Amino acid sequence: DGGITQSPKYLFRKEGQNVTLSCEQNLNHDAMYWYRQDPGQGLRLIYYSQIVNDFQKGDIAEGYSVSREKKESFPLTVTSAQKNPTAFYLCASSMGGGTNIQYFGAGTRLSVL
Amino acid sequence: KQEVTQIPAALSVPEGENLVLNCSFTDSAIYNLQWFRQDPGKGLTSLLLIQSSQREQTSGRLNASLDKSSGRSTLYIAASQPGDSATYLCALNNAGNMLTFGGGTRLMVKP
Repeated sequence: DGGITQSPKYLFRKEGQNVTLSCEQNLNHDAMYWYRQDPGQGLRLIYYSQIVNDFQKGDIAEGYSVSREKKESFPLTVTSAQKNPTAFYLCASSMGGGTNIQYFGAGTRLSVL
Repeated sequence: KQEVTQIPAALSVPEGENLVLNCSFTDSAIYNLQWFRQDPGKGLTSLLLIQSSQREQTSGRLNASLDKSSGRSTLYIAASQPGDSATYLCALNNAGNMLTFGGGTRLMVKP
């Protein structure tokens, strides 16, 4: 069953805590992306990776970090420096290149306790 | 910097109506444009992708058009059904497969 798996579905963060959101894909895609969605708004790009061991900041990278040690995995850490982390986080992947469709996971909803 | 606007933000129609969702953008130097569907609390499902060189794409009851010169795209839904109720997002790919999203149109189709 091919696709993109995000976990957990719901996550709660305490003040000053770092939390990590998981994203795994078995589509053999080169490129992976992390987006943030606030209520009633579109998606904004946090980080993206076009290839293993390489990633770039998107529009709203401050307070977040990523790694890309394996082709199929692109975890996102929400650090304590992110003061307003409550949002819906979506991971996507694509074959790479300039014109390919992005496929999305089901998302992780992060809330602050 | 690309800016994408979707109007209206919300739309409620009776079942069976044909409807048009609008997407406007400021930078016409695009690789492609995608329309996505998002159900509440879920991820995005790609509906249609229009390459820069194309004018429209069709899939079933959906038809998407692209007019780069005017910076506009429309998503036409024929004979709407309650199952079409969702948020519809358009996204522009300017370079390197980075997408810029509009704010979405929340559609409610009433039986």
